[in-house]
Amino acid sequence: AQTVTQSQPEMSVQEAETVTLSCTYDTSESDYYLFWYKQPPSRQMILVIRQEAYKQQNATENRFSVNFQKAAKSFSLKISDSQLGDAAMYFCAYSPPSDNYGQNFVFGPGTRLSVLP
Amino acid sequence: DAGVIQSPRHEVTEMGQEVTLRCKPISGHNSLFWYRQTMMRGLELLIYFNNNVPIDDSGMPEDRFSAKMPNASFSTLKIQPSEPRDSAVYFCASSRRGGPQPQHFGDGTRLSIL
Repeated sequence: AQTVTQSQPEMSVQEAETVTLSCTYDTSESDYYLFWYKQPPSRQMILVIRQEAYKQQNATENRFSVNFQKAAKSFSLKISDSQLGDAAMYFCAYSPPSDNYGQNFVFGPGTRLSVLP
Repeated sequence: DAGVIQSPRHEVTEMGQEVTLRCKPISGHNSLFWYRQTMMRGLELLIYFNNNVPIDDSGMPEDRFSAKMPNASFSTLKIQPSEPRDSAVYFCASSRRGGPQPQHFGDGTRLSIL
C-alpha cells in the first residue's frame, strides 16, 4: 500500500523568507500524481500545486514550487517570500494513475507552518 | 462556479441521536469522497463513489456509519447512533474523471457529539 510521510510536524519561517516542507512517499507505481494542499485556520482544504510523475520539470505556482525527486520518492514544497497568509497546515497527497475515474488519495499527516512577522 | 457544498457547517447533538451530513459535489464531477479529520488520526478517507457507485468503504469505522449517493448531485453520510468519539470535522470532496484531477473539498462539517 502507498504511504505518505511528512517528517516535520511543525515548521516556522520569518516573513519574506523561504521555507521548504518535506514529503516522501512509497509506491511501486511508475506513474502517479502528487499534490500539496493547504488548510488554513478556516479549515478549507485548498489545492496549492500538483505534479505528474512522468513530467521531469518541477511544477511552480507563483511563490510555490516543488522539488520532485522521483528516484528518491521525494516531493518537497518550497514557499518563497513567505507571507502571513501562508500560515496553515500543509498536506502532501499521493494519487495513483486514473484513466477514467477519481482515485483514492493518500494524505500525509501534515506540517503546521507558522509565519513570524 | 460553485464549489462543493456541505451542510450543516456545524452540528451539535447528543449521544445516541442520528446525524445526517449532506454534500453537493461540483457539477460534472464523477467521483465523490467522504473524509473525517481529527487531531489524533489526521485526515481519513471513509468512503468514495465513482458515478454514484460506492467503490471503497473500507474506511467506514463501523456499521453505525452509512453513506449514500442517490444521484450525481447529492450524497449523505449518516451516523446512527452517534457517539462522542464520532466528534470530528467531516469533509466531502469531488473530482472529475481522467488525468491528474485534484480533489475539490467542501468547507467541512464540524460535528460535536455530547
